[in-house]
Amino acid sequence: KAGVTQTPRYLIKTRGQQVTLSCSPISGHRSVSWYQQTPGQGLQFLFEYFSETQRNKGNFPGRFSGRQFSNSRSEMNVSTLELGDSALYLCASSLTGTGSNEQYFGPGTRLTVT
Amino acid sequence: GQNIDQPTEMTATEGAIVQINCTYQTSGFNGLFWYQQHAGEAPTFLSYNVLDGLEEKGRFSSFLSRSKGYSYLLLKELQMKDSASYLCAVINRGDSNYQLIWGAGTKLIIKP
Repeated sequence: KAGVTQTPRYLIKTRGQQVTLSCSPISGHRSVSWYQQTPGQGLQFLFEYFSETQRNKGNFPGRFSGRQFSNSRSEMNVSTLELGDSALYLCASSLTGTGSNEQYFGPGTRLTVT
Repeated sequence: GQNIDQPTEMTATEGAIVQINCTYQTSGFNGLFWYQQHAGEAPTFLSYNVLDGLEEKGRFSSFLSRSKGYSYLLLKELQMKDSASYLCAVINRGDSNYQLIWGAGTKLIIKP
């Protein structure tokens, strides 16, 4: 069974630009969560999508948005990029959500904002 | 509020035993995960505890005490490949949903 895939793996953008990241979950998994990871901060939860609906949302500004398609693939968009948005963005899929299902993480997209 | 505490960094010797602690404060505890993350890689699942007690899985064991808001991950017969960050995450159940709350992780350094 193929794992979680994320594209692109690396991105360099400049301040003010916008970026779209993509995540394909494990086949059969309906929940996709997005996280931001920076050194010393741990994993910061962005949002979770389940069956094309945003089910949970973390404490990030409105510049961060996402969506999920009918095939469970998900995209995350960050508009008006700031230097502080430089981070590793991880997506994780699970069968039904974060109740008791373990999450399977993708390799991440490393975003650098200059 | 919700809070998870783990030591930032620990050092241990190859072949030895190490215990990584995690304390948490949440309003709707519904389980606890441990994940391992090697540098530059994605986190991978190690264990899940929802009831009090010890869960053993090979060289790794995880313990939970819900009354104390405390868990630990025990690594035995340490190997160099165990050098990684170990993340504690608590499932918090709200009124209508679940959310995973993550600790900042403990970086474990194994010395020969």
